[in-house]
Amino acid sequence: NAGVTQTPKFQVLKTGQSMTLQCAQDMNHEYMSWYRQDPGMGLRLIHYSVGAGITDQGEVPNGYNVSRSTTEDFPLRLLSAAPSQTSVYFCASGVRGEGSGEKLFFGSGTQLSVL
Amino acid sequence: DQQVKQNSPSLSVQEGRISILNCDYTNSMFDYFLWYKKYPAEGPTFLISISSIKDKNEDGRFTVFLNKSAKHLSLHIVPSQPGDSAVYFCAVFNFGNEKLTFGTGTRLTIIP
Repeated sequence: NAGVTQTPKFQVLKTGQSMTLQCAQDMNHEYMSWYRQDPGMGLRLIHYSVGAGITDQGEVPNGYNVSRSTTEDFPLRLLSAAPSQTSVYFCASGVRGEGSGEKLFFGSGTQLSVL
Repeated sequence: DQQVKQNSPSLSVQEGRISILNCDYTNSMFDYFLWYKKYPAEGPTFLISISSIKDKNEDGRFTVFLNKSAKHLSLHIVPSQPGDSAVYFCAVFNFGNEKLTFGTGTRLTIIP
């Protein structure tokens, strides 16, 4: 049982490049979300989804796109990378409803550096 | 506008003593309050939660207290063990928008 799988683990981009951070879960969870972790800022919600075909913005959505075509996958796209997007990114999934707020399962993170 | 604040970035506690981590929130409409624990190079893991209709929830060595009038949440760990050394995040959840919002984290170090 893999849980939540994020790829890649590390990535270095140049300013202006685009890329997609992959996230897949094998627990049939409806709820998925993306966070970024920055020193002194904690975990900030970027985008989230309560089911296939449904996405919504979090606290810091600018510069990022998401889509949810299947229950399992929730990719995060950086359209034109900026140094301010240097961060550690975490994907998470959970059971919708009462479980949406509880027992989110997190991936191990993607460390992204934008030069 | 920070909805969830953890004012202590770090805390050191002697092994065997009680660790108390604190969290303040601004919105009285949150439905669930949670604590997550994070080790380096790993994703956060769920630790314990409490519904807004309760004021205490206990799970083994971990107890969460909710003071709604003060908009204050605390996590008590007793007795503290070396494996408890980690970053602890409090989080709040709203059923209406289904958002889970985290605080800035407190790094707990247990001194053997």
